[in-house]
Amino acid sequence: AQSVAQPEDQVNVAEGNPLTVKCTYSVSGNPYLFWYVQYPNRGLQFLLKYITGDNLVKGSYGFEAEFNKSQTSFHLKKPSALVSDSALYFCAVRVPFGNTGKLIFGQGTTLQVKP
Amino acid sequence: EAGVAQSPRYKIIEKRQSVAFWCNPISGHATLYWYQQILGQGPKLLIQFQNNGVVDDSQLPKDRFSAERLKGVDSTLKIQPAKLEDSAVYLCASSKRARDTEAFFGQGTRLTVV
Repeated sequence: AQSVAQPEDQVNVAEGNPLTVKCTYSVSGNPYLFWYVQYPNRGLQFLLKYITGDNLVKGSYGFEAEFNKSQTSFHLKKPSALVSDSALYFCAVRVPFGNTGKLIFGQGTTLQVKP
Repeated sequence: EAGVAQSPRYKIIEKRQSVAFWCNPISGHATLYWYQQILGQGPKLLIQFQNNGVVDDSQLPKDRFSAERLKGVDSTLKIQPAKLEDSAVYLCASSKRARDTEAFFGQGTRLTVV
Protein backbone atom coordinates (compact mmCIF):
# COMPACT_ATOMS: atom_id res chain seq x y z
CA ALA A 1 0.00 0.00 0.00
CA GLN A 2 1.17 3.51 -0.75
CA SER A 3 1.92 5.55 2.34
CA VAL A 4 3.74 8.53 3.78
CA ALA A 5 5.30 8.60 7.23
CA GLN A 6 6.23 11.59 9.32
CA PRO A 7 7.97 9.93 12.25
CA GLU A 8 7.85 12.91 14.61
CA ASP A 9 4.58 14.26 15.96
CA GLN A 10 6.36 17.40 17.12
CA VAL A 11 9.68 19.11 16.47
CA ASN A 12 10.98 21.79 18.82
CA VAL A 13 13.73 24.20 17.81
CA ALA A 14 15.06 27.50 19.03
CA GLU A 15 14.69 30.57 16.85
CA GLY A 16 17.73 31.01 14.64
CA ASN A 17 18.65 27.33 14.68
CA PRO A 18 18.31 25.07 11.66
CA LEU A 19 15.22 22.89 11.46
CA THR A 20 14.43 19.55 9.85
CA VAL A 21 11.03 17.92 9.52
CA LYS A 22 11.30 14.32 8.37
CA CYS A 23 9.28 12.50 5.75
CA THR A 24 9.61 9.04 4.25
CA TYR A 25 7.38 7.40 1.68
CA SER A 26 6.47 4.00 0.37
CA VAL A 27 5.10 4.02 -3.16
CA SER A 28 5.64 2.18 -6.40
CA GLY A 29 7.17 4.01 -9.35
CA ASN A 30 8.61 7.51 -9.35
CA PRO A 31 6.58 9.71 -7.02
CA TYR A 32 5.97 13.41 -7.02
CA LEU A 33 6.53 14.87 -3.54
CA PHE A 34 5.05 17.92 -1.82
CA TRP A 35 5.21 19.84 1.43
CA TYR A 36 2.29 21.87 2.78
CA VAL A 37 1.93 23.99 5.91
CA GLN A 38 -1.26 24.53 7.89
CA TYR A 39 -1.81 27.38 10.30
CA PRO A 40 -4.68 27.23 12.86
CA ASN A 41 -8.11 27.52 11.25
CA ARG A 42 -6.54 27.88 7.83
CA GLY A 43 -6.34 25.67 4.79
CA LEU A 44 -3.17 24.03 3.58
CA GLN A 45 -0.58 26.28 1.97
CA PHE A 46 1.81 24.90 -0.64
CA LEU A 47 5.51 25.18 0.24
CA LEU A 48 7.42 23.23 -2.39
CA LYS A 49 7.42 20.20 -4.66
CA TYR A 50 9.74 17.71 -6.29
CA ILE A 51 8.73 16.48 -9.73
CA THR A 52 12.03 15.72 -11.45
CA GLY A 53 15.53 17.13 -11.82
CA ASP A 54 17.70 18.52 -9.04
CA ASN A 55 17.19 16.60 -5.81
CA LEU A 56 17.34 19.81 -3.75
CA VAL A 57 14.27 21.96 -4.23
CA LYS A 58 13.69 25.42 -2.83
CA GLY A 59 10.31 26.76 -1.87
CA SER A 60 8.46 29.52 -0.10
CA TYR A 61 9.60 31.32 3.07
CA GLY A 62 13.19 30.01 2.85
CA PHE A 63 12.25 26.33 3.08
CA GLU A 64 13.97 23.65 1.05
CA ALA A 65 13.74 19.87 0.79
CA GLU A 66 16.00 17.13 -0.47
CA PHE A 67 14.72 14.15 -2.40
CA ASN A 68 16.66 10.99 -1.59
CA LYS A 69 15.51 8.10 -3.73
CA SER A 70 17.66 5.45 -2.07
CA GLN A 71 16.34 6.33 1.36
CA THR A 72 12.83 7.13 0.06
CA SER A 73 12.91 10.38 2.01
CA PHE A 74 11.94 14.00 1.40
CA HIS A 75 12.96 15.94 4.50
CA LEU A 76 11.99 19.59 4.88
CA LYS A 77 14.73 21.97 6.03
CA LYS A 78 15.36 25.59 6.82
CA PRO A 79 18.74 27.07 7.79
CA SER A 80 17.39 29.48 10.40
CA ALA A 81 14.01 29.01 12.06
CA LEU A 82 11.59 31.85 12.85
CA VAL A 83 8.93 31.91 15.54
CA SER A 84 6.43 32.52 12.75
CA ASP A 85 7.36 29.13 11.23
CA SER A 86 5.47 27.45 14.08
CA ALA A 87 2.68 25.48 12.42
CA LEU A 88 1.57 22.01 11.30
CA TYR A 89 3.53 20.59 8.37
CA PHE A 90 2.34 17.88 6.01
CA CYS A 91 4.33 15.82 3.57
CA ALA A 92 2.39 14.37 0.63
CA VAL A 93 3.08 12.07 -2.29
CA ARG A 94 1.41 11.71 -5.64
CA VAL A 95 1.84 8.67 -7.83
CA PRO A 96 1.64 9.94 -11.41
CA PHE A 97 -0.80 7.68 -13.22
CA GLY A 98 -3.29 8.68 -15.85
CA ASN A 99 -5.18 11.77 -14.84
CA THR A 100 -5.07 11.21 -11.12
CA GLY A 101 -3.92 14.06 -8.92
CA LYS A 102 -4.56 12.28 -5.64
CA LEU A 103 -2.27 13.34 -2.80
CA ILE A 104 -1.49 10.87 -0.03
CA PHE A 105 -0.66 12.80 3.13
CA GLY A 106 1.37 11.96 6.18
CA GLN A 107 -0.17 12.50 9.59
CA GLY A 108 1.56 15.84 10.08
CA THR A 109 4.34 17.23 12.25
CA THR A 110 3.86 20.18 14.57
CA LEU A 111 6.80 22.55 14.45
CA GLN A 112 7.31 24.69 17.55
CA VAL A 113 9.93 27.45 17.29
CA LYS A 114 10.73 29.08 20.60
CA PRO A 115 12.23 32.56 20.97
CA GLU B 1 -5.57 36.01 -7.92
CA ALA B 2 -8.50 34.90 -5.78
CA GLY B 3 -8.05 31.65 -3.87
CA VAL B 4 -10.34 28.68 -3.45
CA ALA B 5 -13.56 29.78 -1.78
CA GLN B 6 -15.59 27.50 0.49
CA SER B 7 -18.76 27.94 2.46
CA PRO B 8 -19.91 27.66 5.13
CA ARG B 9 -16.86 27.87 7.40
CA TYR B 10 -18.56 26.03 10.24
CA LYS B 11 -21.58 23.76 10.48
CA ILE B 12 -23.12 21.89 13.41
CA ILE B 13 -25.83 19.32 12.69
CA GLU B 14 -27.47 16.41 14.44
CA LYS B 15 -26.78 12.86 13.30
CA ARG B 16 -29.07 11.65 10.51
CA GLN B 17 -29.49 15.20 9.20
CA SER B 18 -28.18 16.27 5.81
CA VAL B 19 -25.61 18.95 5.01
CA ALA B 20 -24.06 20.48 1.91
CA PHE B 21 -20.78 22.25 1.30
CA TRP B 22 -19.95 24.56 -1.57
CA CYS B 23 -16.64 25.23 -3.32
CA ASN B 24 -15.57 27.73 -5.96
CA PRO B 25 -12.12 26.87 -7.34
CA ILE B 26 -9.48 29.21 -8.70
CA SER B 27 -10.46 30.49 -12.12
CA GLY B 28 -9.13 28.32 -14.92
CA HIS B 29 -8.37 25.32 -12.75
CA ALA B 30 -9.69 22.21 -14.44
CA THR B 31 -9.07 19.85 -11.53
CA LEU B 32 -11.06 20.02 -8.31
CA TYR B 33 -10.68 17.88 -5.21
CA TRP B 34 -12.61 17.28 -1.99
CA TYR B 35 -10.58 16.06 0.98
CA GLN B 36 -11.70 15.00 4.45
CA GLN B 37 -9.40 15.89 7.36
CA ILE B 38 -10.21 14.23 10.66
CA LEU B 39 -8.64 15.83 13.72
CA GLY B 40 -5.05 14.69 14.18
CA GLN B 41 -4.78 13.15 10.71
CA GLY B 42 -3.66 14.21 7.29
CA PRO B 43 -6.29 14.97 4.65
CA LYS B 44 -7.79 12.06 2.74
CA LEU B 45 -9.08 12.37 -0.80
CA LEU B 46 -12.81 11.84 -1.20
CA ILE B 47 -13.26 12.72 -4.86
CA GLN B 48 -11.42 14.29 -7.79
CA PHE B 49 -13.09 16.01 -10.74
CA GLN B 50 -11.47 16.83 -14.06
CA ASN B 51 -13.71 19.55 -15.49
CA ASN B 52 -17.15 18.10 -14.75
CA GLY B 53 -16.17 14.43 -14.89
CA VAL B 54 -15.20 12.22 -11.96
CA VAL B 55 -11.63 10.88 -12.07
CA ASP B 56 -11.40 9.20 -8.67
CA ASP B 57 -14.15 8.59 -6.11
CA SER B 58 -12.80 5.33 -4.75
CA GLN B 59 -12.76 6.59 -1.14
CA LEU B 60 -16.11 8.37 -1.21
CA PRO B 61 -18.71 6.60 0.99
CA LYS B 62 -21.29 6.57 -1.75
CA ASP B 63 -24.13 5.34 0.45
CA ARG B 64 -24.18 8.74 2.17
CA PHE B 65 -21.84 11.12 0.35
CA SER B 66 -22.42 12.65 -3.06
CA ALA B 67 -20.66 15.35 -5.04
CA GLU B 68 -21.20 17.16 -8.28
CA ARG B 69 -19.43 19.74 -10.38
CA LEU B 70 -21.94 21.09 -12.82
CA LYS B 71 -20.53 23.13 -15.70
CA GLY B 72 -17.01 22.27 -14.59
CA VAL B 73 -16.65 25.18 -12.16
CA ASP B 74 -18.35 25.21 -8.74
CA SER B 75 -18.82 22.03 -6.78
CA THR B 76 -21.02 20.83 -3.95
CA LEU B 77 -20.43 17.97 -1.54
CA LYS B 78 -23.42 16.52 0.29
CA ILE B 79 -23.76 14.17 3.22
CA GLN B 80 -27.10 12.47 3.80
CA PRO B 81 -27.61 11.16 6.44
CA ALA B 82 -24.69 12.32 8.58
CA LYS B 83 -23.02 10.12 11.16
CA LEU B 84 -20.97 11.11 14.19
CA GLU B 85 -17.78 9.90 12.47
CA ASP B 86 -18.32 12.43 9.68
CA SER B 87 -17.16 15.18 12.04
CA ALA B 88 -14.13 16.60 10.27
CA VAL B 89 -12.85 19.50 8.21
CA TYR B 90 -13.82 19.25 4.55
CA LEU B 91 -11.24 20.83 2.29
CA CYS B 92 -11.72 21.78 -1.31
CA ALA B 93 -8.68 22.19 -3.55
CA SER B 94 -8.04 22.97 -7.19
CA SER B 95 -5.14 22.77 -9.61
CA LYS B 96 -4.42 23.65 -13.23
CA ARG B 97 -3.59 20.08 -14.09
CA ALA B 98 -3.79 16.88 -12.13
CA ARG B 99 -0.34 15.31 -12.32
CA ASP B 100 2.52 17.75 -11.95
CA THR B 101 1.02 20.89 -10.50
CA GLU B 102 0.38 21.76 -6.91
CA ALA B 103 -3.12 21.89 -5.49
CA PHE B 104 -4.36 25.06 -3.82
CA PHE B 105 -6.62 24.56 -0.82
CA GLY B 106 -9.54 26.53 0.55
CA GLN B 107 -9.93 27.28 4.25
CA GLY B 108 -12.25 24.34 4.73
CA THR B 109 -15.60 23.71 6.36
CA ARG B 110 -15.50 22.38 9.89
CA LEU B 111 -18.40 19.97 10.37
CA THR B 112 -19.50 18.83 13.81
CA VAL B 113 -22.11 16.07 14.00
CA VAL B 114 -23.78 15.77 17.42
